[in-house]
Amino acid sequence: DVKVTQSSRYLVKRTGEKVFLECVQDMDHENMFWYRQDPGLGLRLIYFSYDVKMKEKGDIPEGYSVSREKKERFSLILESASTNQTSMYLCASSSGYRGRTYEQYFGPGTRLTVT
Amino acid sequence: AQKVTQAQTEISVVEKEDVTLDCVYETRDTTYYLFWYKQPPSGELVFLIRRNSFDEQNEISGRYSWNFQKSTSSFNFTITASQVVDSAVYFCALSGHTSGTYKYIFGTGTRLKVLA
Repeated sequence: DVKVTQSSRYLVKRTGEKVFLECVQDMDHENMFWYRQDPGLGLRLIYFSYDVKMKEKGDIPEGYSVSREKKERFSLILESASTNQTSMYLCASSSGYRGRTYEQYFGPGTRLTVT
Repeated sequence: AQKVTQAQTEISVVEKEDVTLDCVYETRDTTYYLFWYKQPPSGELVFLIRRNSFDEQNEISGRYSWNFQKSTSSFNFTITASQVVDSAVYFCALSGHTSGTYKYIFGTGTRLKVLA
């Protein structure tokens, strides 16, 4: 079974803090994704990566950065957390080449609260 | 532009009823993929099915069936004899290649409540 793990299920941070969300997948997938999920807005793509050290902006990249130094790990960084970044963050991975992506496998999510 | 529309925000049915979740998509790609995912109350999204644009055969898996019609740009999902465990948010998604990059678009989801 594909397994995608995220470093925390719940996180509470203060405004202005730097926040790291980690995601690890164990299926040697080329593609990895970060989404945020908010009520009524569905899933919105923040960033995705189709290879090590490669990244592409999604629909809402502002205020976020990512890092993919190893194939199995994809990190989401909030450089200076703000209250409007309070959300559920979902990581996913999929097979595929150069972004062509098949079904995605999701982690359990991290519910981040910024106070 | 690519778009996925799930017009039904929430549906409530009584156990054992059949229910259909609608998904309408827009794309200019000739090759694309369509997906359905389930997000139960526990929160983790689970992949259910993938269909590619060249395969319009309907799919049946137990109580679940999917109807893909390119003529109407729809990929609908039917649950037969619904059960309480089917209660979840269901997302339809589209993966295609546009403007030089691949895009993966989710609909806003349909919340299904199955009442005992």
